[in-house]
Amino acid sequence: GQQLNQSPQSMFIQEGEDVSMNCTSSSIFNTWLWYKQDPGEGPVLLIALYKAGELTSNGRLTAQFGITRKDSFLNISASIPSDVGIYFCAGQDFSNDYKLSFGAGTTVTVRA
Amino acid sequence: DAGITQSPRYKITETGRQVTLMCHQTWSHSYMFWYRQDLGHGLRLIYYSAAADITDKGEVPDGYVVSRSKTENFPLTLESATRSQTSVYFCASSEVRTQYGYTFGSGTRLTVV
Repeated sequence: GQQLNQSPQSMFIQEGEDVSMNCTSSSIFNTWLWYKQDPGEGPVLLIALYKAGELTSNGRLTAQFGITRKDSFLNISASIPSDVGIYFCAGQDFSNDYKLSFGAGTTVTVRA
Repeated sequence: DAGITQSPRYKITETGRQVTLMCHQTWSHSYMFWYRQDLGHGLRLIYYSAAADITDKGEVPDGYVVSRSKTENFPLTLESATRSQTSVYFCASSEVRTQYGYTFGSGTRLTVV
């Protein structure tokens, strides 16, 4: 599948901090999606983006579909302890049977 | 119960044994997928199916077999388990040509000893 580079690989958060992560690709995508995986569970869709330049919010989460269609970022504002988990970006290519390509994930942990 | 369910949640098996992981969805989604999740690799596609009796290889299909005789079921079989197949396995499903991504099951943690 297409390679997505997701960064950072991991991060520590302190309650109240804003955090951000991003995903880049060498290929363009038609749709960008962000998933969150809680420990012991499967990934759950957080936000879907459908147009280049689109900025979408879901509560404290904000995501953007890059203008070049090759990147996306996710911001979490005023983080809380339940934000810990693994966040995955995914790009969807309509010409490839609408299949998703996933980034390697960003692991978010609470700083002690 | 509506949704996508995987069984078992946890499985320990010995090297060389055959093991089957089950996936069942109640939405009549056309597409179903099997992924494995390993540290540092994210989610890697093993096999997928576009409809009953139609399956195709993903990124890491070696050592795995799938079948899909009914739309709602998509079992994954490890014919002769190896330690490198120790992983967490996720099943997912989606509608045809959807822009709403996939819905994932809760996963099966498989340990091969």
